[in-house]
Amino acid sequence: ETGVTQSPTHLIKTRGQQVTLRCSSQSGHNTVSWYQQALGQGPQFIFQYYREEENGRGNFPPRFSGLQFPNYSSELNVNALELDDSALYLCASSWGNRAGTEAFFGQGTRLTVV
Amino acid sequence: GIQVEQSPPDLILQEGANSTLRCNFSDSVNNLQWFHQNPWGQLINLFYIPSGTKQNGRLSATTVATERYSLLYISSSQTTDSGVYFCAVMYNNNDMRFGAGTRLTVKP
Repeated sequence: ETGVTQSPTHLIKTRGQQVTLRCSSQSGHNTVSWYQQALGQGPQFIFQYYREEENGRGNFPPRFSGLQFPNYSSELNVNALELDDSALYLCASSWGNRAGTEAFFGQGTRLTVV
Repeated sequence: GIQVEQSPPDLILQEGANSTLRCNFSDSVNNLQWFHQNPWGQLINLFYIPSGTKQNGRLSATTVATERYSLLYISSSQTTDSGVYFCAVMYNNNDMRFGAGTRLTVKP
């Protein structure tokens, strides 16, 4: 069974640039969720993708966008980067779009915006 | 929205000691998970426990859904148990709400 993998592990970008983060879901899972974790805080929900459609979104501006591909892998895109976007970005995969299933997380991508 | 509170925020133990971490939540849930975040940032699944009691080695967890709390027990703690422990509950079928975490330090 393949776990959740994210790439890259670390990234440094300049304010105003755009970034794409990638996530491969665990085999057998069709749902991917993205979270942002600022230093010293718990992760916060950005959005979820189920069967290639956005299935819920947290309190993040439209410059945070995503995609899910037919193999259920996913991308998180952030445009017009701001210094406050510096954080650990975590991807989680699960099965189905309902509560009641266990989510598994990748190792995260640490983004630094300078 | 649902509120998740964890206590204590920080805990320092001597190796071999036992500890109890608490998670209170403000509404009924049908998904609750405990995670351990390692120093590299990865969230490691400890328990999926919307209700009842589970045990895995030195760790066990109990969720009393009707009273809206969950407890994580760590017995005979080891230095490798150090890190941040998060409780998370599912909100709206897709939004997993995390507590602020308990930072555990186990000293040799």
